[in-house]
Amino acid sequence: DQQVKQNSPSLSVQEGRISILNCDYTNSMFDYFLWYKKYPAEGPTFLISISSIKDKNEDGRFTVFLNKSAKHLSLHIVPSQPGDSAVYFCAARRSNTGKLIFGQGTTLQVKP
Amino acid sequence: IAGITQAPTSQILAAGRRMTLRCTQDMRHNAMYWYRQDLGLGLRLIHYSNTAGTTGKGEVPDGYSVSRANTDDFPLTLASAVPSQTSVYFCASATGNTGELFFGEGSRLTVL
Repeated sequence: DQQVKQNSPSLSVQEGRISILNCDYTNSMFDYFLWYKKYPAEGPTFLISISSIKDKNEDGRFTVFLNKSAKHLSLHIVPSQPGDSAVYFCAARRSNTGKLIFGQGTTLQVKP
Repeated sequence: IAGITQAPTSQILAAGRRMTLRCTQDMRHNAMYWYRQDLGLGLRLIHYSNTAGTTGKGEVPDGYSVSRANTDDFPLTLASAVPSQTSVYFCASATGNTGELFFGEGSRLTVL
């Protein structure tokens, strides 16, 4: 069973507009949620995280929102830039084991 | 530059052959992980090691084995490769309490 789901395989936005990437989870035993960014032929790199006790974390153009009642988190990128074009993975950390469970990934394309 | 080194970058091998993917880190992180990335499935944990001398099974451990003789090295072995093990394999390490992983560049494996 997929405990962390990214239901949109791809997203295309215009440069300068907002990109919103979504992620849903089914298990309440997660204490941290993270977003990773991956370029082709490279390993994923950490982007931003949020503790389960918070509902928002902001870092420059990137903001992550957590809605625990809906078991939903989202990553907002404002303004979007062509260099943001990549695959984005959300991940949730199990509080009992510390291991990360990843979603399927969403490919973001930012058009100039 | 400190980080994780994986080898080989890519490999094609015949089914039934034995293969070891190498992973070395120089960050002195205690925890290390092996993930495989497959289209539509995201990153799935194969095996992990919380500290030198210990290993554990992840979500998809069958057909793989690992060892952790020291802090820096965490090789992944396919004893008898099968075509379903065709994938991109990522080694990662972690420190701290937020679950942030540092990934290598990946090893692309094709089993024919």
